[in-house]
Amino acid sequence: ETGVTQSPTHLIKTRGQQVTLRCSSQSGHNTVSWYQQALGQGPQFIFQYYREEENGRGNFPPRFSGLQFPNYSSELNVNALELDDSALYLCASSLRSSTDTQYFGPGTRLTVL
Amino acid sequence: AQSVTQLDSQVPVFEEAPVELRCNYSSSVSVYLFWYVQYPNQGLQLLLKYLSGSTLVKGINGFEAEFNKSQTSFHLRKPSVHISDTAEYFCAVLGGGRRALTFGSGTRLQVQP
Repeated sequence: ETGVTQSPTHLIKTRGQQVTLRCSSQSGHNTVSWYQQALGQGPQFIFQYYREEENGRGNFPPRFSGLQFPNYSSELNVNALELDDSALYLCASSLRSSTDTQYFGPGTRLTVL
Repeated sequence: AQSVTQLDSQVPVFEEAPVELRCNYSSSVSVYLFWYVQYPNQGLQLLLKYLSGSTLVKGINGFEAEFNKSQTSFHLRKPSVHISDTAEYFCAVLGGGRRALTFGSGTRLQVQP
């Protein structure tokens, strides 16, 4: 069974640029959630995708957007990067269920200079 | 709205001593509760979860947690810690119609020889 993978591992961008982060779900999972974890804090929910449709969104501006593909992999796009966007971005996959456990990938560390 | 409070930001403990990491949640509806562990520069790994049934839940690496509905708590315990347990521990809640996890701010467990 393949776990959740994310790429790249690390990324450095400058303010105003755009970035795309990628996530491959665990085998058999059709739901992907994205979280932002700032240094020293718990993860904060960005949004969730189920069967290629957005299925819930946290308190993040529209410049945070996403996609889910037919194979259930996913992308997180952030436009007009700000310094405060520097964080660990975590992807989690699960089955479509209100009780299903979310399994996390190793994360992408984004640094905005 | 749901919230999770982890009462201790840091818990220092000596090797082979017992430890308890505290977690309280607030929710007006039934929830599901999780503990995740995060080792340095890594993603989140599921330790254990409470969905229903027995209020004492056993997880990996010798950890267990007890769900207490009247006190809205889900404290994590281990009878004897090892140096390798040094990590950040996050309590999270899922439910109330939301499929996104709400995390606490984390507790850093520091095991000393």
